[in-house]
Amino acid sequence: IQMTQSPSSLSASVGDRVTIACRASQGITNDLAWYQQKPGRAPKPLIYSASNLQSGVPSRFSGSGSGTDFTLTISGLQPEDFATYFCLQDHKYPLTFGGGTEVVI
Amino acid sequence: QLQLQESGPGLVKPSEILSLTCAVSGGSISSSLHYWAWIRRPPGKGLEWIGSIYYRGNTEYNPSLESRVAFSIDTSKNQFSMTFNSLTAADTAHYYCARRGQRSIDYWGQGTLVIVSS
Repeated sequence: IQMTQSPSSLSASVGDRVTIACRASQGITNDLAWYQQKPGRAPKPLIYSASNLQSGVPSRFSGSGSGTDFTLTISGLQPEDFATYFCLQDHKYPLTFGGGTEVVI
Repeated sequence: QLQLQESGPGLVKPSEILSLTCAVSGGSISSSLHYWAWIRRPPGKGLEWIGSIYYRGNTEYNPSLESRVAFSIDTSKNQFSMTFNSLTAADTAHYYCARRGQRSIDYWGQGTLVIVSS
């Protein structure tokens, strides 16, 4: 299953609302997760099952979608949110990631 | 709190075999609810799932890598391992071990950089 993420990069300011899209090449029900990664760090889990927040993740992060189209929204971008974001489908082997979206200032 | 820690060589020569181990602490690797995975990220590229192993030894591999990779699990030591052969420069990457369960991949090791170079 191919995961197409868009945009590949976006510029934003603190306080902005940011939306990142992920599209699957075939239906994956809601088996979609989102991760945040900063340079030199392991990915941090944000969302699982398309819309469920992982423990300890701020409520400004939200996810939506099902089937083939999904979005990650950050409402009120904070300085610590500037990072790269990846989607992951875990509906079918082999698991596949989107290409990533870099959120820059 | 569950923790995963990768260990292995940072530098490997082309055509040699890479062996990495992931030590799990703060939880049992024998959990029936979880799979244990290896994932990598080459410099400047995205994440790639290598495969996963269950505590009973069942494995799933990425077809693009399956001919070169093998996983094992040692429940007595609470750790799992990966061997990767026929290495080339394209295998240079940060390698992560991780846990996959009902909340998808929910724990990651800090990662280890492996450079393939002569």
